[in-house]
Amino acid sequence: AQTIHQWPVAEIKAVGSPLSLGCTIKGKSSPNLYWYWQATGGTLQQLFYSITVGQVESVVQLNLSASRPKDDQFILSTEKLLLSHSGFYLCAWTGNTEVFFGKGTRLTVV
Amino acid sequence: QQKVQQSPESLTVSEGAMASLNCTFSDGTSNNFRWYRQHSAKGLEVLVSIFSDGEKEEGRFTAHLNRANLHVSLHIREPQPSDSAVYLCAVSSNYAQGLTFGLGTRVSVFP
Repeated sequence: AQTIHQWPVAEIKAVGSPLSLGCTIKGKSSPNLYWYWQATGGTLQQLFYSITVGQVESVVQLNLSASRPKDDQFILSTEKLLLSHSGFYLCAWTGNTEVFFGKGTRLTVV
Repeated sequence: QQKVQQSPESLTVSEGAMASLNCTFSDGTSNNFRWYRQHSAKGLEVLVSIFSDGEKEEGRFTAHLNRANLHVSLHIREPQPSDSAVYLCAVSSNYAQGLTFGLGTRVSVFP
């Protein structure tokens, strides 16, 4: 069975500090991978998607970047966090007809 | 660019009464539609996925899709207090490019 693991579960970071969030999918080769973000009280917005290793498409500009260093790994990062980066980050992958989400990372920027 | 709108913003229902949620989308080429539930900004729980016009039932949750009217709805039969959550509609016209979500409907079920 396929599993999706996100890390960390929660993070409190200072403004201006770097950030790295990770997502790993096991049991599925060459998945389409996605990062979504949800501000407090807001809806989910797609940030990035990746169809293959080394290729990432940006959907919304939030001064964040994403990389796919391995087939099963998707990384979201920034060198300098802003207060507006606070929220809930979800990683997802698509199967034949379904979309599977991780359990998310809650980020608080102070 | 796809726009997804949900109504009402919030809904209060009594336990056992039917709850009905609406979702409209702007891209007529959309071809897959999902309803999710989210408890207190935690992970998403998929309720129903629907890909063709008509009705799809999953337990107490039924989705109705009418692509000509750019409308998909969710009906919750015999809602329970544990069904209290934010319900999100998600639409896609290009499967590989991911989902566009609505703002959600906050459902509160009282005994």
